Amino acid sequence: QQKVQQSPESLIVPEGAMTSLNCTFSDSASQYFAWYRQHSGKAPKALMSIFSNGEKEEGRFTIHLNKASLHFSLHIRDSQPSDSALYLCATGGNYKPTFGKGTSLVVHP
Amino acid sequence: GPKVLQIPSHQIIDMGQMVTLNCDPVSNHLYFYWYKQILGQQMEFLVNFYNGKVMEKSKLFKDQFSVERPDGSYFTLKIQPTALEDSAVYFCASSLGAANTGQLYFGEGSKLTVL
Repeated sequence: QQKVQQSPESLIVPEGAMTSLNCTFSDSASQYFAWYRQHSGKAPKALMSIFSNGEKEEGRFTIHLNKASLHFSLHIRDSQPSDSALYLCATGGNYKPTFGKGTSLVVHP
Repeated sequence: GPKVLQIPSHQIIDMGQMVTLNCDPVSNHLYFYWYKQILGQQMEFLVNFYNGKVMEKSKLFKDQFSVERPDGSYFTLKIQPTALEDSAVYFCASSLGAANTGQLYFGEGSKLTVL
């Protein structure tokens, strides 16, 4: 059974900082790697995803994937107070994404 | 953007009763999912559904659980009878294609409390 772990559990950063969130997984056959963001009481919402080794950038967000290391990460450049939320990583096969427990991010002004 | 609607947002029932959680997925989506989240723990996969059938279910999907989407209406999760350990937030999600071709769209969850 796929195991997905996120680190750190929580993070507090000042506005403008670079934020790095990590996700490790156990199933080397995983095909899908994604980050979701969830504000309190709201639905998790997909941020971005990647399917092959390397890096993908969308605005202030960059995702890195290293399949050999069973690790992917999310980097947020110029973090804003509006980025404060729970960040969930998800990975797995085509039909059964497995989610991590989440990293709670607080960006203070 | 596209929204998934879940009804009810919160339900309190007595152990042994039946409960039906309803999900109105994004209109053109083909794949549907239920996840269960106990307070403080990670969201765990329960079941997925495509073309009128369950594709895969986890060990958490007990015999008391069932899902259906009659005539393209709500995608429902029914628990009969309920047990204390069924207390959790249940998230519904839908996707146009398989997970590796597109994102999952989630509802805001149905919080179930079994007394």
